Amino acid sequence: DAGVIQSPRHEVTEMGQEVTLRCKPISGHDYLFWYRQTMMRGLELLIYFNNNVPIDDSGMPEDRFSAKMPNASFSTLKIQPSEPRDSAVYFCASSLSAVYEQYFGPGTRLTVT
Amino acid sequence: QKEVEQNSGPLSVPEGAIASLNCTYSDRGSQSFFWYRQYSGKSPELIMFIYSNGDKEDGRFTAQLNKASQYVSLLIRDSQPSDSATYLCAVNGGGGSNYKLTFGKGTLLTVNP
Repeated sequence: DAGVIQSPRHEVTEMGQEVTLRCKPISGHDYLFWYRQTMMRGLELLIYFNNNVPIDDSGMPEDRFSAKMPNASFSTLKIQPSEPRDSAVYFCASSLSAVYEQYFGPGTRLTVT
Repeated sequence: QKEVEQNSGPLSVPEGAIASLNCTYSDRGSQSFFWYRQYSGKSPELIMFIYSNGDKEDGRFTAQLNKASQYVSLLIRDSQPSDSATYLCAVNGGGGSNYKLTFGKGTLLTVNP
């Protein structure tokens, strides 16, 4: 299995631009999670999906952030407009079940200048 | 606000020694506890999980859980330089949100040859 796939691996953009991060979970996994990691705040859960349905988006910081999962093999996290404080590493993770191990993708390092 | 606390370190031990990593959590309803290892610039990977009070051993790693004290620890025996990484403690939400993991900010471990 290829594991969780994320793209792009690095993204540098200017403040105000739209940013779209992509994730392909492990085939057969019913749960998909989006995290953000910074030195100050650590690893924070932004939103998670079960069977393509958003279940809890309470971690999404602002309305500028949105996430979708149109099918079982693809999810996006969009930031519009982006701000310098959004600079972080964004991880996607998937899991076979709610209480089982979460497998993390390689992450997308986002820099907003 | 559910919290998971870890000593940020760095924790420095000589090669061959026992490294002890500690974690406390605030949610008494938490059911599952995980230790993730994260190498610099990489994604977190699961090394241990524990559900019941007591000890769980896997090779050189031992996880210890004390729910009454809301305390979980990870012991690494015969530490190797390759164990140098940040160790993240993660706790599930318990109750109706047992699918959400809350992560500590991690403890940086350095094993000196």
